[in-house]
Amino acid sequence: AQKVTQAQTEISVVEKEDVTLDCVYETRDTTYYLFWYKQPPSGELVFLIRRNSFDEQNEISGRYSWNFQKSTSSFNFTITASQVVDSAVYFCALSEAPWRNTPLVFGKGTRLSVIA
Amino acid sequence: GAVVSQHPSWVICKSGTSVKIECRSLDFQATTMFWYRQFPKQSLMLMATSNEGSKATYEQGVEKDKFLINHASLTLSTLTVTSAHPEDSSFYICSARAAPTNTIYFGEGSWLTVV
Repeated sequence: AQKVTQAQTEISVVEKEDVTLDCVYETRDTTYYLFWYKQPPSGELVFLIRRNSFDEQNEISGRYSWNFQKSTSSFNFTITASQVVDSAVYFCALSEAPWRNTPLVFGKGTRLSVIA
Repeated sequence: GAVVSQHPSWVICKSGTSVKIECRSLDFQATTMFWYRQFPKQSLMLMATSNEGSKATYEQGVEKDKFLINHASLTLSTLTVTSAHPEDSSFYICSARAAPTNTIYFGEGSWLTVV
């Protein structure tokens, strides 16, 4: 069975600090996708990244970076020089074998508060 | 880019009434749509999977007679909450899987308040 664990329920940082959000996943499939979404108070899900299981390269997009480690089944997300606008709930998600029309399974989310 | 539109964004209804939420893919065909529910400060929980032209598959614990899902076309799925109760108040969000890329897109979500 697939499972996504985000052990950090809430994190508070001071503006300009770096912060890493942890994500550990479980799956029996060798082919899967991993995702990160941002959910601001308005509720909509903002897509941040999708990574397939065959691509372990780390990715950087501006102040965001992702570290995918298959050996530890982790897909951690780092925000560098955090800003108040980064305050939101962040969800890690997993989708197994996409061609089977499987849904995303979400972690419980990490609420990030960036304090000015 | 691809857009999934969900309507209404906010709805308040009286206890015992029914409310319909629409999820529409605007510029692609969605062979599969998913409905999630999110209670305050909780994660998104899958309610059901709907495939165009067939019956929805409901997750364990979700009452199919209470949450009616219809996916009558490749661009529209609807979720009807029947005989709504205050405990049904939640954030409902749909997602659509685009063929043939299988990319998943999310709607903006609908806030339901039952009074």
